[in-house]
Amino acid sequence: DAGITQSPRHKVTETGTPVTLRCHQTENHRYMYWYRQDPGHGLRLIHYSYGVKDTDKGEVSDGYSVSRSKTEDFLLTLESATSSQTSVYFCAIRGTEGPEAFFGQGTRLTVV
Amino acid sequence: DQQVKQNSPSLSVQEGRISILNCDYTNSMFDYFLWYKKYPAEGPTFLISISSIKDKNEDGRFTVFLNKSAKHLSLHIVPSQPGDSAVYFCAASAYYNQGGKLIFGQGTELSVKP
Repeated sequence: DAGITQSPRHKVTETGTPVTLRCHQTENHRYMYWYRQDPGHGLRLIHYSYGVKDTDKGEVSDGYSVSRSKTEDFLLTLESATSSQTSVYFCAIRGTEGPEAFFGQGTRLTVV
Repeated sequence: DQQVKQNSPSLSVQEGRISILNCDYTNSMFDYFLWYKKYPAEGPTFLISISSIKDKNEDGRFTVFLNKSAKHLSLHIVPSQPGDSAVYFCAASAYYNQGGKLIFGQGTELSVKP
């Protein structure tokens, strides 16, 4: 167990509603990532962080924002949820000793 | 622009035989390659990796081969077991140049039949 907790694990929300997903780690790792998984697309990087208050965009960042005010927490916010953001969201963490990232259990988000 | 591609969405193999999963990439800056395994309703788990200075890495039943000139890597599982049935993702990283974010392929669903 890599010490990553995602919350909530499941969420159904309405179009136009703001949504925040939380990723919490107990490993004190520097790097944290948010991915989404969709059929036919694999895992696509949304945003990532390389330290407190240091974040950058990934491949599919439009419609998403992130914040990292503490080492252990990385928040993903959908400012105004759309049906195209229905997906499974995974958080991952990585230390500084190698390229391997370790994933959380995922959050299944449905936008209706 | 898909930088990492897995062109086979699915693969079916008999128990005990070899499974070969393939992956192609386009970005010459990638210097680390990884394979992840994913069961339904779980997060991906790291399986094996290879750095661009090697052409082979082995860990038990799993071997990854890297052909840099062809920008191609493959994962061999020998012998395949029913518990290996899962979705396998390859990933690439420009670890020494771009901070190590992982770019994933679309995944290949492996089914190992008894």
